[in-house]
Amino acid sequence: DAKTTQPNSMESNEEEPVHLPCNHSTISGTDYIHWYRQLPSQGPEYVIHGLTSNVNNRMASLAIAEDRKSSTLILHRATLRDAAVYYCILRPHSGYALNFGKGTSLLVTP
Amino acid sequence: EPEVTQTPSHQVTQMGQEVILRCVPISNHLYFYWYRQILGQKVEFLVSFYNNEISEKSEIFDDQFSVERPDGSNFTLKIRSTKLEDSAMYFCASSDPSGGTDTQYFGPGTRLTVL
Repeated sequence: DAKTTQPNSMESNEEEPVHLPCNHSTISGTDYIHWYRQLPSQGPEYVIHGLTSNVNNRMASLAIAEDRKSSTLILHRATLRDAAVYYCILRPHSGYALNFGKGTSLLVTP
Repeated sequence: EPEVTQTPSHQVTQMGQEVILRCVPISNHLYFYWYRQILGQKVEFLVSFYNNEISEKSEIFDDQFSVERPDGSNFTLKIRSTKLEDSAMYFCASSDPSGGTDTQYFGPGTRLTVL
C-alpha cells in the first residue's frame, strides 16, 4: 500500500484557518486521496476526497499538489468541534478498505 | 440523514466466551466493513463484505472471527472465543460505490471489554 506521512499533532486558534499537510510520494496514478477525521470517542467521519484537482465541500477544502505527491486539508475557520484526529488515506478503488495511519491530532484553542 | 447504528454500545464478556456485535448499515449500501481500534492505537481494518461474501480481510481476521448478513438489514461480527487482546472499539461501516464517491459511513462503535 502507498503510505502517507502526516505530522503527529498541530494546534490552531479558534476561527483561524488550519492547513493540515500530508505527504504521499509513492502515490500511484489511480489512488484517490481521502481525508477522514475521528472526533473524541466517535467513529471516523468522512471529510473530503480528490484525485487530481482541488476540491471543496461544506466541511473543508483539499489542495492537491500538481505532482500529487502531497496534499493539504484546509479548514477555513477552525471551531472547537474540529478538534479531532485527521487521517490522510490513499485508496485505489471503490469498496476497498481504508488503511488508517496515526493521523494528525488537531488541537483547537479558544 | 441516514446513519449506521451499532448494538450494543458496550459489551463486557469473559475470556473464552462468544460475542456477536451487531450493525445496521445504511439501507441502500452495498459494501459493509468491520474495523477495530484498541485503546490508544490506530483504527485497523478487519473485513469487508459484498454480495454476501467476504471481499477482503486482514491478518487480524482469523478463524475466530466471522461475519454474516442474516437478513436484509443486519450485519454481524462474531468472535467465537474471545481473548483479552480482543478488547477494543469495534466500528461497522458501509458504503455505496455507485454514487462515485464511495464514502464509508461509520457507526458509533461497540466497546468490547474482555475480562
